[in-house]
Amino acid sequence: EDQVTQSPEALRLQEGESSSLNCSYTVSGLRGLFWYRQDPGKGPEFLFTLYSAGEEKEKERLKATLTKKESFLHITAPKPEDSATYLCAVTNRYGQNFVFGPGTRLSVLP
Amino acid sequence: GAVVSQHPSRVICKSGTSVKIECRSLDFQATTMFWYRQFPKKSLMLMATSNEGSKATYEQGVEKDKFLINHASLTLSTLTVTSAHPEDSSFYICSARDLTRSYEQYFGPGTRLTVT
Repeated sequence: EDQVTQSPEALRLQEGESSSLNCSYTVSGLRGLFWYRQDPGKGPEFLFTLYSAGEEKEKERLKATLTKKESFLHITAPKPEDSATYLCAVTNRYGQNFVFGPGTRLSVLP
Repeated sequence: GAVVSQHPSRVICKSGTSVKIECRSLDFQATTMFWYRQFPKKSLMLMATSNEGSKATYEQGVEKDKFLINHASLTLSTLTVTSAHPEDSSFYICSARDLTRSYEQYFGPGTRLTVT
């Protein structure tokens, strides 16, 4: 059974304090790993897709990396507007449903 | 690109009535649409998957007669909550995917349903 876990469950950072969020997965043949950002009361916003181990993608202060077992979302010098829940999801070789992790609630304090 | 809209954003209905939520892909054709439910401070719970022109596939534990899903075109899917009860109050989110382009799902802004 495909599974995704995320850690930590919640993370508080001071503005400018860099950190990383973890997404660990088990899947029957990874087709893609996806990162989303979700603000309260809104739908998830797509950030990145990673397809193979060693791949990296960047967007502003965010950088996502992928290994065969996990993915990291690195946040460099975060700002309060980066506060959100970050969700990780995988889809298997058949490209069927997403399996979402429980998310990491990030709070960046000014 | 890849914009998904939902309507309404908020709805309040009385117990026993039905409510319809629309999900539209605005700038792409969605081969597949998904419906999720989300409880406060919890992750997304997949309810059903629908392909255009086909019957929806429901997840285990989701009542298909209560949550009617129609995917009439490549840009529109609807979720109808029939005979709503207070326990159906929740945040419902749709997503859409075009498998001819990529595997990403693009999400709508969500609909907050309150049943009184």
